Amino acid sequence: EDQVTQSPEALRLQEGESSSLNCSYTVSGLRGLFWYRQDPGKGPEFLFTLYSAGEEKEKERLKATLTKKESFLHITAPKPEDSATYLCAVQAGTALIFGKGTTLSVSS
Amino acid sequence: EPEVTQTPSHQVTQMGQEVILRCVPISNHLYFYWYRQILGQKVEFLVSFYNNEISEKSEIFDDQFSVERPDGSNFTLKIRSTKLEDSAMYFCASRLLSGQATNEKLFFGSGTQLSVL
Repeated sequence: EDQVTQSPEALRLQEGESSSLNCSYTVSGLRGLFWYRQDPGKGPEFLFTLYSAGEEKEKERLKATLTKKESFLHITAPKPEDSATYLCAVQAGTALIFGKGTTLSVSS
Repeated sequence: EPEVTQTPSHQVTQMGQEVILRCVPISNHLYFYWYRQILGQKVEFLVSFYNNEISEKSEIFDDQFSVERPDGSNFTLKIRSTKLEDSAMYFCASRLLSGQATNEKLFFGSGTQLSVL
């Protein structure tokens, strides 16, 4: 069964304090691993897609990496506006299977 | 930037009533989806729709649920007889159908919060 597990569930950082979020996955034949950002009361907003182990993608203060069993979302020098829930998902058939997410709070 | 539009943003209904949730996907997208998120839980896949038929559906998408593309722009989710456990945020999503496999990012709407009383 395809599964996605994210840790930690919640993370509190001070502005400028870098950290990483983890996404462990089990899927039969990875066709894509996705990172989304979700703000309260909103739909998920696409950040990255990773397709193969060793791949990395960056956007502003965020960098996503992929191994054969997990993905990391590295946040460098976060700002309060980075506060959100970060969702990881894998593609299974035509659907995305999501993890529960990591809720990030960045205080100034 | 083009976006997926969902209406209404909030819907309150009585148990046993029918509800229709509406979505306008991005205009050149060809694959449409419904997901739901119960408060505090994962975003869960319900159904995917392509070329006027269901492509894939989850165990959640039972006979009480149906989807329709009644015209060239709208995509709807109908729940025939709502239950208390149907209370959730329902998200519509769409994507391009690229020439390569199915690896295309989904664009999500802002959701319809359904409350069944």
